Amino acid sequence: AQSVTQPDIHITVSEGASLELRCNYSYGATPYLFWYVQSPGQGLQLLLKYFSGDTLVQGIKGFEAEFKRSQSSFNLRKPSVHWSDAAEYFCAVVMDSSYKLIFGSGTRLLVRP
Amino acid sequence: EAGVAQSPRYKIIEKRQSVAFWCNPISGHATLYWYQQILGQGPKLLIQFQNNGVVDDSQLPKDRFSAERLKGVDSTLKIQPAKLEDSAVYLCASSLETGGIGKLFFGSGTQLSVL
Repeated sequence: AQSVTQPDIHITVSEGASLELRCNYSYGATPYLFWYVQSPGQGLQLLLKYFSGDTLVQGIKGFEAEFKRSQSSFNLRKPSVHWSDAAEYFCAVVMDSSYKLIFGSGTRLLVRP
Repeated sequence: EAGVAQSPRYKIIEKRQSVAFWCNPISGHATLYWYQQILGQGPKLLIQFQNNGVVDDSQLPKDRFSAERLKGVDSTLKIQPAKLEDSAVYLCASSLETGGIGKLFFGSGTQLSVL
């Protein structure tokens, strides 16, 4: 079955440390891939997307993500986390011509001072 | 540019009551979505409109949920009667065209508590 998995429910990092959030998908072909962020009391905001081409994509707020076909993964990274990055992060995919956006269950990021 | 507007922000009702949510998308956005986000889960698509026509409502519980988008702009989502398991945040989103291939603009949501 087609699915998107975020294996980490919570992640805690210290401010200034690097961050990597994991995302895996299950699909026969390469889907369109996205990362969204949801800050408390706010709507989801698109951080970045991958359709094709360069497998390392840059997004807003200093985030980047790398598509690895062999691992069916699209992990989100940031070299130095700021306290304002504390939020919930959702990986999402579009897997077919319906263009339906399917979200993972999310990873909540906590930032230690 | 104004974002996606939703109201109310919070709603508390008892089971078997009715409730309605309102959404005003970004001006010019043809596609409108309603998502349900249960605590601890990612958003799940309930219904997608293209202008005022329904594109996808395959996951909408039609025995109790209904939605409409009059004149291709504002939309309302109604639950009648509500069940305890309907407690969730209801998110409205819009995009420029069908799919916008994933580039959706979300409102802040309506948090529904069913007691």
